[in-house]
Amino acid sequence: SQKIEQNSEALNIQEGKTATLTCNYTNYSPAYLQWYRQDPGRGPVFLLLIRENEKEKRKERLKVTFDTTLKQSLFHITASQPADSATYLCALAKDSNYQLIWGAGTKLIIKP
Amino acid sequence: DVKVTQSSRYLVKRTGEKVFLECVQDMDHENMFWYRQDPGLGLRLIYFSYDVKMKEKGDIPEGYSVSREKKERFSLILESASTNQTSMYLCASSWDSGGTETQYFGPGTRLLVL
Repeated sequence: SQKIEQNSEALNIQEGKTATLTCNYTNYSPAYLQWYRQDPGRGPVFLLLIRENEKEKRKERLKVTFDTTLKQSLFHITASQPADSATYLCALAKDSNYQLIWGAGTKLIIKP
Repeated sequence: DVKVTQSSRYLVKRTGEKVFLECVQDMDHENMFWYRQDPGLGLRLIYFSYDVKMKEKGDIPEGYSVSREKKERFSLILESASTNQTSMYLCASSWDSGGTETQYFGPGTRLLVL
């Protein structure tokens, strides 16, 4: 069955640098992959979606790449700020409709 | 803006109690979901519903049931709460957009079963 792997260790980045988070999957390439942000004690909030035929997607300081050969998506935050500190979750489409499979998330800490 | 609300932010219950968690969305979404989230684990799907009165089991339905009598409301029921059901419960909803279902989440209910 499909599994998602995100780095379980927190990622510490200096303010102003680019933060890069990784999402690896093990089985079939999904039709699309999504990234969400989750703050402590809150529900996840959608950030970006990238389809299997797209190599890269951007939104302001955020960039997502999708490499179906490596079975990997990278999530970049450029010019990082302390307010970007949160847990970032990767989710991909299950083989059937409606459902997503979720990674456990990576905690990002941006130090001033 | 899409709004998903959950009936309680924090809940403390005793083992064996029947527990109701309610979720309401205001954007006429077809799909609704109940997840639980535990440290170190991804979101795990308990049940979902793609229409009124329709429900399907997710990955971990044991010990739970659901009800969807109206499109905007999806309830999760713990028939007899147990300590291993202590968790964060998240409700989500989405449009039936034909393959790119972005999910919108409520704030979560942190349930403690003693």
